[in-house]
Amino acid sequence: GESVGLHLPTLSVQEGDNSIINCAYSNSASDYFIWYKQESGKGPQFIIDIRSNMDKRQGQRVTVLLNKTVKHLSLQIAATQPGDSAVYFCAENSEGYSTLTFGKGTMLLVSP
Amino acid sequence: DAGVTQSPTHLIKTRGQHVTLRCSPISGHKSVSWYQQVLGQGPQFIFQYYEKEERGRGNFPDRFSARQFPNYSSELNVNALLLGDSALYLCASSSSPGLGEQYFGPGTRLTVT
Repeated sequence: GESVGLHLPTLSVQEGDNSIINCAYSNSASDYFIWYKQESGKGPQFIIDIRSNMDKRQGQRVTVLLNKTVKHLSLQIAATQPGDSAVYFCAENSEGYSTLTFGKGTMLLVSP
Repeated sequence: DAGVTQSPTHLIKTRGQHVTLRCSPISGHKSVSWYQQVLGQGPQFIFQYYEKEERGRGNFPDRFSARQFPNYSSELNVNALLLGDSALYLCASSSSPGLGEQYFGPGTRLTVT
């Protein structure tokens, strides 16, 4: 399928490394954040979420950090695998409903 | 259990035509949202429907409209197609309109020539 990653910032890592993907969000009133993974030709897939009353949340091999002071979100992937290669988007909730505002995205390339 | 399904998968239309895209949410989900994703960018919110009522609308022209049916499936309609409408149209479902995870379908790739 067509790539969703044209002209996106790219992070290239070796298999087994830890990856950190960063995101600056825009709305200081946002209170819910999600990281999505999108592979070529597919819809976004939920990875992990965090609410604004938390600053860290861990999942399986992934950790999300939230710094509300500087409106910054990061996704850490431990022991990155080739199957993690995809475009990663952060999204913030706006206006009280489950409408999401997506960031530009980062392409993660994992070499064996 | 089936995830969010969308039809058709791909579609080619000519400028000025109209198009109808369809979405079936996850069973039990009552909220459906539509997003447009232009190549190389993140998805942009178009509409949200919950219990057949419009709950939110993004910054899109009136050529875009949508509706939700009693079985919670949804249609997105776009009239007077422009070349710039070429994009991947994504549908997402959730159990409620409030904060919470949205599950995305595979999208419909629309090409306008």
